[in-house]
Amino acid sequence: GQNIDQPTEMTATEGAIVQINCTYQTSGFNGLFWYQQHAGEAPTFLSYNVLDGLEEKGRFSSFLSRSKGYSYLLLKELQMKDSASYLCAALDSNYQLIWGAGTKLIIKP
Amino acid sequence: DTAVSQTPKYLVTQMGNDKSIKCEQNLGHDTMYWYKQDSKKFLKIMFSYNNKELIINETVPNRFSPKSPDKAHLNLHINSLELGDSAVYFCASSQVGQVTDTQYFGPGTRLTVL
Repeated sequence: GQNIDQPTEMTATEGAIVQINCTYQTSGFNGLFWYQQHAGEAPTFLSYNVLDGLEEKGRFSSFLSRSKGYSYLLLKELQMKDSASYLCAALDSNYQLIWGAGTKLIIKP
Repeated sequence: DTAVSQTPKYLVTQMGNDKSIKCEQNLGHDTMYWYKQDSKKFLKIMFSYNNKELIINETVPNRFSPKSPDKAHLNLHINSLELGDSAVYFCASSQVGQVTDTQYFGPGTRLTVL
């Protein structure tokens, strides 16, 4: 079957760095997405990786290893507004998005 | 200039009623989706339409019927609402075939069935 695993909840301190991991098993693979979802709001796009390596975008970076079925989202210089759920989703061979349950990130002052 | 809009944002209704949720996108995308996000926060695809044609129909009860009058609109009609239908329903759109296939989500409709 198809599966996405990510931690349920993480806690970090304002100004610090946090890494949210995601492992995936899909029928074929056409890329890995990270979305941010604040409580009560819609998911918003953060990043897309289809090639191995690190993609940096400001304070957020996303990494992919296709051979390991693994990705992580790295958040630097954490701000209180980064408190949200971070959803990992893989695009399978039929271009269907397979979603993880999300990682709730709690930022403490 | 809302990209994907849904109405209503909140919907509270009694079991057994019939209700509709509307979705519109002004991004010119060909593909639209309906997702259900339950209390455990899993996003589950329900339907996907491409150019007004149904391309994904996951295992959902046939009480749920999507309707796409044109490629900018995808409405969701639910008959005989049940308690288990309580969830947040998200509409999304994307341009299939583009490199990233990024999906843009509407604000969600929080449905509560009493």
